[in-house]
Amino acid sequence: DAGVTQTPRHEVAEKGQTIILKCEPVSGHNDLFWYRQTKIQGLELLSYFRSKSLMEDGGAFKDRFKAEMLNSSFSTLKIQPTEPKDSAVYLCASSLFGIYEQYFGPGTRLTVL
Amino acid sequence: QQKVQQSPESLSVPEGGMASLNCTSSDRNFQYFWWYRQHSGEGPKALMSIFSDGDKKEGRFTAHLNKASLHVSLHIRDSQPSDSALYFCAASEHETSGSWQLIFGSGTQLTVMP
Repeated sequence: DAGVTQTPRHEVAEKGQTIILKCEPVSGHNDLFWYRQTKIQGLELLSYFRSKSLMEDGGAFKDRFKAEMLNSSFSTLKIQPTEPKDSAVYLCASSLFGIYEQYFGPGTRLTVL
Repeated sequence: QQKVQQSPESLSVPEGGMASLNCTSSDRNFQYFWWYRQHSGEGPKALMSIFSDGDKKEGRFTAHLNKASLHVSLHIRDSQPSDSALYFCAASEHETSGSWQLIFGSGTQLTVMP
């Protein structure tokens, strides 16, 4: 079975640009999560979807971060406009349902200059 | 205050030794706990879950949960260099809305020295 796929693996953006990160979850999984990982803050939840419905939108990340599930097998995370403090690794994860194990993708490392 | 706190921040053990990682929750609603492991350049990968008080063993890994003290630990016996990674404790509660968020601790960096 294919795992969670994320593209691109690396992204470099200028301050103020719009970037779109992509994620393909494990086939058949109902829950999809977007996280941001930094050394200082650790793993922070950005968005959580269940069967394409938004369950959590990450509170503090609402203004410039927007995640969408276009269909059950594809999700995007848009950051608009980017700021240098957005430099981090962005991780996508999926799980069958609820308390089942979350499967993570390899992440996208974003650098904002 | 972080809801899930891990200690120590970093740990070095010799190859073949025992590594012990700790995790404490500040929220009594958390009933479900996971350990995840992340190797450099990869996403985290689930090691094991523990939902009931007591010990749960999977190969060289043993997790222990004490819900009364909100404490969960992970013990790795016969540690191998390939166990060198960042280890996360994660906790969850079942919210009435049906939401199942995992709250992650800040991690313990384990180094196993050959």
